Amino acid sequence: DAGVIQSPRHEVTEMGQEVTLRCKPISGHDYLFWYRQTMMRGLELLIYFNNNVPIDDSGMPEDRFSAKMPNASFSTLKIQPSEPRDSAVYFCASAQGEHRYSNQPQHFGDGTRLSIL
Amino acid sequence: AQKVTQAQTEISVVEKEDVTLDCVYETRDTTYYLFWYKQPPSGELVFLIRRNSFDEQNEISGRYSWNFQKSTSSFNFTITASQVVDSAVYFCALSEISGAGSYQLTFGKGTKLSVIP
Repeated sequence: DAGVIQSPRHEVTEMGQEVTLRCKPISGHDYLFWYRQTMMRGLELLIYFNNNVPIDDSGMPEDRFSAKMPNASFSTLKIQPSEPRDSAVYFCASAQGEHRYSNQPQHFGDGTRLSIL
Repeated sequence: AQKVTQAQTEISVVEKEDVTLDCVYETRDTTYYLFWYKQPPSGELVFLIRRNSFDEQNEISGRYSWNFQKSTSSFNFTITASQVVDSAVYFCALSEISGAGSYQLTFGKGTKLSVIP
């Protein structure tokens, strides 16, 4: 079975440019998560969706960040305008919700390594 | 607020030695889940184990074993007869089950394990 697929694997762009990260969750998973990993702050949850609906976006750093999930098989995380401090590895993860409190394990993609110059 | 502490930042062992990675957590919930993830040098995050707060049985999977003790709020991970392929950063994580059926994972800072041949 295919795992979580993220693209691109690497992105290098200049400050001020728009960046779009993409994620395809595991088929049948109804939870999708976006995380950011940095040396200073470790792994942080940015936002998560259930059945394509954003549930908690309290981790989104500021208005420059936005995330969408137009359908069950695709999500985007957008940064506009990008800044050097946004440089990090961004992970997408998905999980299957058997029932509301099952907390099934999250399966992660390979990540997108983002560098803002 | 929930918190996960992995006090060991880096550990080095010689191949075939046993090694234990410590994880201490804080939560006000009586129902929660604990996880371990592995991040090899290639960067992806690999799920290893999930344990709920009602199940204090130790678990063994091949060379891996986990010791969960609610009395000390610890969920330690032991690798027996370590191998070079075990070299990775290992993350412990906690998920509370809030009224909203939260899936939010709080990660520790990780322990970098280096197995020397």
